[in-house]
Amino acid sequence: DVKVTQSSRYLVKRTGEKVFLECVQDMDHENMFWYRQDPGLGLRLIYFSYDVKMKEKGDIPEGYSVSREKKERFSLILESASTNQTSMYLCASRGMRQGNSPLHFGNGTRLTVT
Amino acid sequence: GDSVTQMEGPVTLSEEAFLTINCTYTATGYPSLFWYVQYPGEGLQLLLKATKADDKGSNKGFEATYRKETTSFHLEKGSVQVSDSAVYFCALRAGGSTLGRLYFGRGTQLTVWP
Repeated sequence: DVKVTQSSRYLVKRTGEKVFLECVQDMDHENMFWYRQDPGLGLRLIYFSYDVKMKEKGDIPEGYSVSREKKERFSLILESASTNQTSMYLCASRGMRQGNSPLHFGNGTRLTVT
Repeated sequence: GDSVTQMEGPVTLSEEAFLTINCTYTATGYPSLFWYVQYPGEGLQLLLKATKADDKGSNKGFEATYRKETTSFHLEKGSVQVSDSAVYFCALRAGGSTLGRLYFGRGTQLTVWP
């Protein structure tokens, strides 16, 4: 079974702090994604990466950056956290070997910015 | 652009009732369609998928049929259980997409009472 692990389940940070959310997958997947989930808005794509050191902006990249130095790890960085970034963050990965393979999600990190 | 619209929740049913959650989509070409489920405190997991018109995806008693003529992919279950209480997301992947990003609906909260 594919395992996508997000390092923290809950985080509380102060406004202005730099925040790192870490995600690791164990299936050698090429594609990795960061979504945020908010009530009534569903999942919105922040950034994705199709390979090591490659990244693409999603629909709401403002205020975020990402890093993918190794294939298994995809980090989401909040350069200066703000209260409107309080949300649930979901990481996902997908392999390219099987056509139309699904996304595999981690359990999420609930971030509160005070 | 590509998008998914699913019925607003919450949906509240008694055990053994029939479930329908409506999902319609807008996409160019021939997308693949998915239903994901999120149980409390967990990430999303794939429930079922369909990759071409008239395909029926099924899993755990849930079914959905890819209807190109009505651009729909409605989720159904004949007899729901308390354990089906979760949030359900409809999603699409654009046809020919190699990057694998999914476009999600806003989610529908289902609560089943005994």
